[in-house]
Amino acid sequence: AQSVTQLDSQVPVFEEAPVELRCNYSSSVSVYLFWYVQYPNQGLQLLLKYLSGSTLVKGINGFEAEFNKSQTSFHLRKPSVHISDTAEYFCAVARSGGYQKVTFGTGTKLQVIP
Amino acid sequence: NAGVTQTPKFQVLKTGQSMTLQCAQDMNHEYMSWYRQDPGMGLRLIHYSVGAGITDQGEVPNGYNVSRSTTEDFPLRLLSAAPSQTSVYFCASSYADRRSAEAFFGQGTRLTVV
Repeated sequence: AQSVTQLDSQVPVFEEAPVELRCNYSSSVSVYLFWYVQYPNQGLQLLLKYLSGSTLVKGINGFEAEFNKSQTSFHLRKPSVHISDTAEYFCAVARSGGYQKVTFGTGTKLQVIP
Repeated sequence: NAGVTQTPKFQVLKTGQSMTLQCAQDMNHEYMSWYRQDPGMGLRLIHYSVGAGITDQGEVPNGYNVSRSTTEDFPLRLLSAAPSQTSVYFCASSYADRRSAEAFFGQGTRLTVV
């Protein structure tokens, strides 16, 4: 079985400040890792994904994440946030290869303060 | 490009009523799944399908039925609606192998059971 823990349910941050959203996972097998973003009243959209290779992954809208196998973490970062980044962010994990049965974390609401 | 289409967008049901949430995708994805999203609980997998004629239970399957007669469609049936099924429901689809590992989501169905 696999699981995902997002340690912060809400993260307030001032506009143009850096942000880190934390994600830890648990799995007994190799995994794929994802970050999704959900804007109000919308579905989820993929921000970035780690499948293999380089542990630093760059995504859309200036976000990046680093896969740390020893710490079983996949934290999401952005050096300077904008008002438009206000949304809920979900970390997710799937067993590598095979069918995409994805397990989601409980989400982190990022509130960007002007 | 339609992607994943869910209907209806909103629905109010009385306790005990039944209904079907529709989901269709036009990307020829093998894998389709249904999630429910509740505050503070992230997305929880209800049922999933790895191809036409093949379905399986997820984390919270009770009170829901699915079938997959075609690659494109994956309807979710509520047999006898209960207030505990008030939630936002998302359908997702993806390739069932390493090609993409990205799940595409519909816009969601907001269901209220009174």
